[in-house]
Amino acid sequence: DAGVIQSPRHEVTEMGQEVTLRCKPISGHNSLFWYRQTMMRGLELLIYFNNNVPIDDSGMPEDRFSAKMPNASFSTLKIQPSEPRDSAVYFCASSFGTINEQFFGPGTRLTVL
Amino acid sequence: AQKITQTQPGMFVQEKEAVTLDCTYDTSDQSYGLFWYKQPSSGEMIFLIYQGSYDEQNATEGRYSLNFQKARKSANLVISASQLGDSAMYFCAMDGSARQLTFGSGTQLTVLP
Repeated sequence: DAGVIQSPRHEVTEMGQEVTLRCKPISGHNSLFWYRQTMMRGLELLIYFNNNVPIDDSGMPEDRFSAKMPNASFSTLKIQPSEPRDSAVYFCASSFGTINEQFFGPGTRLTVL
Repeated sequence: AQKITQTQPGMFVQEKEAVTLDCTYDTSDQSYGLFWYKQPSSGEMIFLIYQGSYDEQNATEGRYSLNFQKARKSANLVISASQLGDSAMYFCAMDGSARQLTFGSGTQLTVLP
């Protein structure tokens, strides 16, 4: 099994630019989660999907952030326009079943200059 | 609302000795799950162990065991026979009626040779 796949692994961009992070969950998993990790705030849930439907997006910081899951094997997290304070590691995770053991991708390290 | 508290920012242990990482939680859910993840310096999040709130026996996975004390709302991780490769950040997390995980602030474990 390939595990959760995220791309890109590293992204450096300038303030004001659009950033799109991508995630492919483990095949057969029906829940997908986007987290953000910073030194100051730790690991925070941004949004999660169940069966491709957004269930809770209360963690999305503001309207500049949006997430989609057009099908069971792909999700995107978009930031437009990006700001320096968005610099963080963004993790995607997926799970299946009642125990909710979440498998994390390798993360995308985003730097906004 | 759920809350996870890890009171040990950093811990040191001698190689081959056992170490306990503390975790306390707060929730109003009757059914919930408790998780431990390891994050080495490379950055990935690795699932270690899971304990369900209705599980009567403490969970064990190899050298990892979870000391679950429901009345005290604690879910400490015990690592036996520490190895140099155990040096990492360890996160305690929980879920409940909602599937998203709430993470603690983490404990940085250093194993000394």
